[in-house]
Amino acid sequence: QLQVQESGPGLVKPSETLSLTCTVSDGSISSTSYYWGWIRQPPGKGLEWIGSIYYSGSTYYNPSLKSRVTMSVDTSKNQFSLKVTSVTAADTAVYFCARGADYGSGSYDALNIWGQGTMVTVSS
Amino acid sequence: EIVLTQSPGTLSLSPGERATLSCKASQSVSSNYLAWYQQKPGQAPRLLIHGASSRATGIPDRFSGSGSGTDFTLTISRLEPEDSAVYYCQQFFTSPWTFGQGTKVEIK
Repeated sequence: QLQVQESGPGLVKPSETLSLTCTVSDGSISSTSYYWGWIRQPPGKGLEWIGSIYYSGSTYYNPSLKSRVTMSVDTSKNQFSLKVTSVTAADTAVYFCARGADYGSGSYDALNIWGQGTMVTVSS
Repeated sequence: EIVLTQSPGTLSLSPGERATLSCKASQSVSSNYLAWYQQKPGQAPRLLIHGASSRATGIPDRFSGSGSGTDFTLTISRLEPEDSAVYYCQQFFTSPWTFGQGTKVEIK
């Protein structure tokens, strides 16, 4: 069963860049049948979709974060990554990576495989 | 942005009872792009229902989803103690994809 696992620093200083990686195991990131996503959850709050990426590199970002977010794929490492620039305390959250199915022709499905999440705190 | 409003905020029921959770969208959502997730403390969300009414792999049949347009429902027919969790609906029909604020189900 394919798994995804987030990794990265747990503490980031205000105004700096948050960088996380999601490693895909027991499966390949290089498939047109799937898309990959990042979601975050501030402590005690709900879920927020950050964006999605395909192995081809096509990206879709939440407009509320678009100016600060970059996602990328490294097929050689079977990983995809998230960068959020100019972070503030409001970016403190558990960050999840996940996978959903893409059926082609603009049809796709929900996020059905999730990582356990990684807590990122923005503080000096 | 499509706003999803879930109700009630908290549901407190006994084992064996039926739970009905509501998710109302501010605009019409294609049923194909409406999902429900279960999240327990300290865990990642788990996909329960996709396409508004299709159970994900391995999900017990006591979980069912229904609805269309702007009104969707998650029903847990006979609550088990392990169903204690927060449940979220999500639309991925229109960007930005959005989640409801969640309904907490407590088992008495």
